[in-house]
Amino acid sequence: DIQMTQSPSSLSASVGDRVTITCRASQSISDYINWYQQKPGKAPKLLIYAASTLQSGVPSRFSGSGSGTDFTLTISSLQPEDIATYYCQHSSSTPSITFGQGTRLEIK
Amino acid sequence: QVQLVQSGAEVKKPGASVKVSCKASGYMFTDYYLHWVRQAPGQGLEWMGRFNPNTGVTNYVQKFQGRVAMTGDTSITTAYMELRRLTSDDTAVYYCVRDVAARGWFDPWGQGTLVTVSS
Repeated sequence: DIQMTQSPSSLSASVGDRVTITCRASQSISDYINWYQQKPGKAPKLLIYAASTLQSGVPSRFSGSGSGTDFTLTISSLQPEDIATYYCQHSSSTPSITFGQGTRLEIK
Repeated sequence: QVQLVQSGAEVKKPGASVKVSCKASGYMFTDYYLHWVRQAPGQGLEWMGRFNPNTGVTNYVQKFQGRVAMTGDTSITTAYMELRRLTSDDTAVYYCVRDVAARGWFDPWGQGTLVTVSS
């Protein structure tokens, strides 16, 4: 099974900061990676799919990049409403799907 | 709009079964896979398997094989996830999610159903 290693597990940043979260796959997964945002007490929400495509309605300060085994989610200018836990997810061998462990993002 | 609405919270005793429903609206029910994902308290997301509403074909994670059943009723555009022989480790929020393009990206998510297993 493909493992997804997400880092850091938690992150504290200031409003306006550029924030980067990384996800590494245990083997090449092409661009079969998606990113989700989960706010406390809520269901996750799709942010980015196929590594770099922004889901409709998601602010443009969010972006994704990478291919193969190394991927990043970037928030160009952190806003207070971005406080959440972020998960990467691979789906290259659907129907087998794996999530990263999550990155908890806090405001400094 | 596309929406998935799940049934309410459940409290079950160890050894019992639970059946969670997921009512789909706003799209053609048979055109998209539905997956189930769970999240134990304070933990990450765990994929359980998927259901094809058009064919009824299912794919389950090995650890749930023999204990889970994912089904659907196309006449009422509702999917179901039944989990049997519950233990305290099954205490979690269970989500149904639509697979947007059969490539495993999930949108939208149901609101979640909390299943608590306690004696």
